[in-house]
Amino acid sequence: GQQVMQIPQYQHVQEGEDFTTYCNSSTTLSNIQWYKQRPGGHPVFLIQLVKSGEVKKQKRLTFQFGEAKKNSSLHITATQTTDVGTYFCAGSGLRFRGATNKLIFGTGTLLAVQP
Amino acid sequence: GAVVSQHPSWVICKSGTSVKIECRSLDFQATTMFWYRQFPKQSLMLMATSNEGSKATYEQGVEKDKFLINHASLTLSTLTVTSAHPEDSSFYICSARDHRGVETQYFGPGTRLLVL
Repeated sequence: GQQVMQIPQYQHVQEGEDFTTYCNSSTTLSNIQWYKQRPGGHPVFLIQLVKSGEVKKQKRLTFQFGEAKKNSSLHITATQTTDVGTYFCAGSGLRFRGATNKLIFGTGTLLAVQP
Repeated sequence: GAVVSQHPSWVICKSGTSVKIECRSLDFQATTMFWYRQFPKQSLMLMATSNEGSKATYEQGVEKDKFLINHASLTLSTLTVTSAHPEDSSFYICSARDHRGVETQYFGPGTRLLVL
């Protein structure tokens, strides 16, 4: 079945350092979404990428969708303590007629930021 | 907009009892809702897809008689964990998809279930 892996599993950075998490799918995706889950909380939608090679920015966060639509990355510039949490990518597979397009979540990357 | 609520937020029950969890989309209609389970320090695992007015579609390995799903209206889906056992203790999260935009899934706050 479809698998979505993320690396690294865990990263500890000093405040102000950059951070990147990579997401790789075993199959081609129709779109990819990114979520952030704070400790004890629920996933919060960050962004969706649809086009091959698409790059989107949200303040210090940069999201990229690979040309083959099988991988994606999230880069945070100059991390802050408020960035702490687990970042999940979630892939949506190619839609088949009449099928509900479900999300397959990646394994997640836990980011710890030391002040 | 796009708020999803879940009730209860946490529940502790004895082994053998059934627990019902409600998922509501508050300001939009959701023809499709999803139920996930998350164990500590792990990712979200999709349990089933709930479609309004029809039977839920369960993922492989998820017992449909154990986890009963009802999606009776466009704003409410319920998950009932029947005859709960300690191994069912987990964080259960629902999401609802808003079809108006880019089909983003909006997640509820989750329900923490502890079965003693």
